[in-house]
Amino acid sequence: QQPVQSPQAVILREGEDAVINCSSSKALYSVHWYRQKHGEAPVFLMILLKGGEQKGHEKISASFNEKKQQSSLYLTASQLSYSGTYFCGTESGGATNKLIFGTGTLLAVQP
Amino acid sequence: NAGVTQTPKFRVLKTGQSMTLLCAQDMNHEYMYWYRQDPGMGLRLIHYSVGEGTTAKGEVPDGYNVSRLKKQNFLLGLESAAPSQTSVYFCASGLETQYFGPGTRLLVL
Repeated sequence: QQPVQSPQAVILREGEDAVINCSSSKALYSVHWYRQKHGEAPVFLMILLKGGEQKGHEKISASFNEKKQQSSLYLTASQLSYSGTYFCGTESGGATNKLIFGTGTLLAVQP
Repeated sequence: NAGVTQTPKFRVLKTGQSMTLLCAQDMNHEYMYWYRQDPGMGLRLIHYSVGEGTTAKGEVPDGYNVSRLKKQNFLLGLESAAPSQTSVYFCASGLETQYFGPGTRLLVL
């Protein structure tokens, strides 16, 4: 089942912070975060693995609560370049990296 | 190093016609994926492959077939296109990080 993302959309001013949440009804092995700008392909941001390992972006951080099957993406001091749609992809196990993506969160950063 | 490429970029089909979308990657990845993206639905996995000669079904495989005859190529076929298959199709490759191609916009009339 698709993970649920919240909020669906958020508008920020430059320099403001935002949190995007991703929640699954299934036990998770990992959570992946991608950003997609309008008309472009999704781009990898971060992966969070069961057990706490985190790999990815320098300026964007995330958390993964395995017990609650939730992940949150933290965007601090947002820049105009952060605008886009953010997707979480969840993996429930196995070696296929078969991701189920959420429906996305649209982030608009204004000057 | 081109990464992941997709052809064609855009195509219009009539209902019942067939076509093949080609995905090519030059990163020597074992894993390749086909997704479709529809407004409000996010990315949904159609089929994937964990190596040359292997394919497996994803979330929404009906109406599509795939082949992975060469490691660097992953083909997605529509045997008899339907308007419900109007979408943007993305190919991706990689394991922990999935690298996406630029997408193919398909319109079925």
